[in-house]
Amino acid sequence: GAVVSQHPSWVICKSGTSVKIECRSLDFQATTMFWYRQFPKQSLMLMATSNEGSKATYEQGVEKDKFLINHASLTLSTLTVTSAHPEDSSFYICSAREGRGHIDQPQHFGDGTRLSIL
Amino acid sequence: GESVGLHLPTLSVQEGDNSIINCAYSNSASDYFIWYKQESGKGPQFIIDIRSNMDKRQGQRVTVLLNKTVKHLSLQIAATQPGDSAVYFCAEMPGGSYIPTFGRGTSLIVHP
Repeated sequence: GAVVSQHPSWVICKSGTSVKIECRSLDFQATTMFWYRQFPKQSLMLMATSNEGSKATYEQGVEKDKFLINHASLTLSTLTVTSAHPEDSSFYICSAREGRGHIDQPQHFGDGTRLSIL
Repeated sequence: GESVGLHLPTLSVQEGDNSIINCAYSNSASDYFIWYKQESGKGPQFIIDIRSNMDKRQGQRVTVLLNKTVKHLSLQIAATQPGDSAVYFCAEMPGGSYIPTFGRGTSLIVHP
C-alpha cells in the first residue's frame, strides 16, 4: 500500500528556533500533499495544500510566513515552522494523494511530528 | 455506552461486541466518504471508503453504511478487539474536490 514517511517524529527545541519537518511518499508520486495540525483530543485541522512545483494554498488564519511549505519534487514536501514559539507546539501531520485527475482517492498519512517548543 | 465529552465523543465496548460509530456530515454535495483510524501518537490510517452511488460497503470486519437522505455515515466493526481501540474519523469530500473535511472523531475504547 501507499506509504508516507514523516520525519522527525518528535522534536523539542528552544523558542525562536526554526524547525523543518519532511514528508515523503515512498512508493508513489504525490502531486498533492497536505499539512495538518492536531491539538489533543481534537480533529485534524488543514493548514495548507501543496502542489508539486507551485506555491502552497493556505487555509484561512494560517500564516504563510510562519509556516513555510515547499513541495519541490513529487515525493517530498517540507514544512518549516519559523521562529517557533510555545504556542506552535502541536502535532503536525502530513498526507499525500497520488495520481492526477482522480478525485475519489483517500489521502495517505504520515505518522506525525510532535513539536514541543520550550 | 456512548458519551460526549468536551472534545471527543467516546464509545466503550466489551471485547467481542460489535461497535457502531456514527458520523453526521454537513455537505449535501459530498459524494465520497472515508473512515480513518488514528492510534495514539500516530497518523490516521485508511480503513474503508464509499462513494455516494452506494449505500453499503464491506471490508474485513468493517462495514460502512451511507444514508444520503439524512446525511449520515456509520462504521460497523464486527467482533471488536482491544487493538481496535483508537480514534475514528469520518471524512467527506464534495464532488470535484480532493480536499476532505474531517469530522470531530469518536474515541473507541475496547475493554478486554
